[in-house]
Amino acid sequence: AQKVTQAQTEISVVEKEDVTLDCVYETRDTTYYLFWYKQPPSGELVFLIRRNSFDEQNEISGRYSWNFQKSTSSFNFTITASQVVDSAVYFCALRGNSGGGADGLTFGKGTHLIIQP
Amino acid sequence: NAGVTQTPKFQVLKTGQSMTLQCAQDMNHEYMSWYRQDPGMGLRLIHYSVGAGITDQGEVPNGYNVSRSTTEDFPLRLLSAAPSQTSVYFCASSVKSTSTQPQHFGDGTRLSIL
Repeated sequence: AQKVTQAQTEISVVEKEDVTLDCVYETRDTTYYLFWYKQPPSGELVFLIRRNSFDEQNEISGRYSWNFQKSTSSFNFTITASQVVDSAVYFCALRGNSGGGADGLTFGKGTHLIIQP
Repeated sequence: NAGVTQTPKFQVLKTGQSMTLQCAQDMNHEYMSWYRQDPGMGLRLIHYSVGAGITDQGEVPNGYNVSRSTTEDFPLRLLSAAPSQTSVYFCASSVKSTSTQPQHFGDGTRLSIL
């Protein structure tokens, strides 16, 4: 069975601080895919990034960066110089390759990020 | 671009009533799925479909039925609503079931069962 753990239920920081959201996963699949989604207060789910299990390169997109480490089964997300608009619930998700990935995404429980002005 | 469209956005039902949540996508995606989101639980897969005429159960299928008569539509049916089905429901689609593709989510349906 697959599992995604986001141990941080809620994080509150002051604007312009850097913040890292942790994600630890478990899977028996040798090929798998990791995702981060953002859910702002309006409720929709916004896709942020996908990472393949065979690609351990870190990625940076503006103020966002992701650190994928297979050795520790972690896929952490860092926001640099946080802004109030970053306030949202962030979900880490895993999709295995067994069965062609048809069994969908396994989500963590989410981290509620609060950026205070 | 409409993407994934869910209707209605909000609904209140009484226990025992039936209802269909609608989901339509205009991206010609083969794979569609339904999730429910409960406080502190993240999103959990209810049912999914890898193509027209093919459906299967996810993690929490009890109390829900689905069908996929066309590529575009994937309705979710509650036959006899129960308070435990109060939740936010998300429909999602992707090009195929293969794992390389991110899923596109609808805006959700907030359902309350009294």
